[in-house]
Amino acid sequence: NAGVTQTPKFQVLKTGQSMTLQCAQDMNHEYMSWYRQDPGMGLRLIHYSVGAGITDQGEVPNGYNVSRSTTEDFPLRLLSAAPSQTSVYFCASRRLAARGNEQFFGPGTRLTVL
Amino acid sequence: AQSVTQPDIHITVSEGASLELRCNYSYGATPYLFWYVQSPGQGLQLLLKYFSGDTLVQGIKGFEAEFKRSQSSFNLRKPSVHWSDAAEYFCAVGARQGAQKLVFGQGTRLTINP
Repeated sequence: NAGVTQTPKFQVLKTGQSMTLQCAQDMNHEYMSWYRQDPGMGLRLIHYSVGAGITDQGEVPNGYNVSRSTTEDFPLRLLSAAPSQTSVYFCASRRLAARGNEQFFGPGTRLTVL
Repeated sequence: AQSVTQPDIHITVSEGASLELRCNYSYGATPYLFWYVQSPGQGLQLLLKYFSGDTLVQGIKGFEAEFKRSQSSFNLRKPSVHWSDAAEYFCAVGARQGAQKLVFGQGTRLTINP
């Protein structure tokens, strides 16, 4: 199993550009989530999904969109990038049915918005 | 609302010395509790987790953590650190109901002196 994969690893955008961060998992996990990591702030939840067709907002959803058309994929869209979105983005997944299961994290995407 | 506090932003210890990283949480009931480790440029790896039962939890790489309900704490310990333990450590709590979203602390960066 590849686990949780994220593409790209690095990205530089100009203010106002749009892009999609890709996340895929091959573990048949129902729950998938996106976090951003900023210095001194830990990881903050952006959006999450408990299954195909079901998404919900996390702690810092503004400026980001998600969709979940398949169990495997959970892309994160930046519609109009802003310098405040410069961050490292992590995707994670886990089994939903078993309580308290650990989340498995992808390697991250480092995004810089100029 | 859930919150997690890691009071120490940066800790430096000598190789072979003991280690304790502090974690305090605020939550209406006992949550699930986790410690994750992040090596430079990598994703997060689960060290250990607490669900219920024995309040002293053993994890990977020789780490352990103790849940103290009266203090709302879940401190991470290791008797003797190795240079390879240099990393950032995150405490996280997860609700026992619903989607069991994780809330992370700010992280503690560990430096090991030779």
